[in-house]
Amino acid sequence: NAGVTQTPKFQVLKTGQSMTLQCAQDMNHNSMYWYRQDPGMGLRLIYYSASEGTTDKGEVPNGYNVSRLNKREFSLRLESAAPSQTSVYFCASRDRGQTEAFFGQGTRLTVV
Amino acid sequence: QKEVEQDPGPLSVPEGAIVSLNCTYSNSAFQYFMWYRQYSRKGPELLMYTYSSGNKEDGRFTAQVDKSSKYISLFIRDSQPSDSATYLCAMSPQGGSEKLVFGKGTKLTVNP
Repeated sequence: NAGVTQTPKFQVLKTGQSMTLQCAQDMNHNSMYWYRQDPGMGLRLIYYSASEGTTDKGEVPNGYNVSRLNKREFSLRLESAAPSQTSVYFCASRDRGQTEAFFGQGTRLTVV
Repeated sequence: QKEVEQDPGPLSVPEGAIVSLNCTYSNSAFQYFMWYRQYSRKGPELLMYTYSSGNKEDGRFTAQVDKSSKYISLFIRDSQPSDSATYLCAMSPQGGSEKLVFGKGTKLTVNP
């Protein structure tokens, strides 16, 4: 079992470029999450999805869009990247009503 | 006001010390309280969780929740160098919302 898989692992973008971060889980979980992690800021919730076809904003949604393509996949899109979006992005999933969330290995994004 | 507050430290202790990590929260809907451990350049992993108020013990680790004060704690007894990591508290409401919110994380170093 791969668990939660994020692609790419590393990415450098120029200001204004767009890109999509991919996340897939093979645990048949209902809920999926996107977080960003910056030094001293912990994990900040960008968007989450409780089930296929539903998404909700978290603490820092501005500048991002998400798509819950199916139960397995939850993508995060940056339409016009800004240096302030330089961060490590984590995708996570968990089953509804369960406490444990499983995380991917992270995507290190640098916007120059 | 952020929903979850956690002192980011850093915290440095000698081997064998008792470590106390704490979080406060403002959302009364939170019912599940979790502690995650994150090693450098890795995704967080669940360490312990508690439902509602009370204590839970697992080996050298004890989690406490005081809902009346909106305060949770993690105690580590006989700390070891292998406990050196960032510890993040996380919280989730019961039923309905699948929101999962994290604190900033406290970086702990246990010195041999």
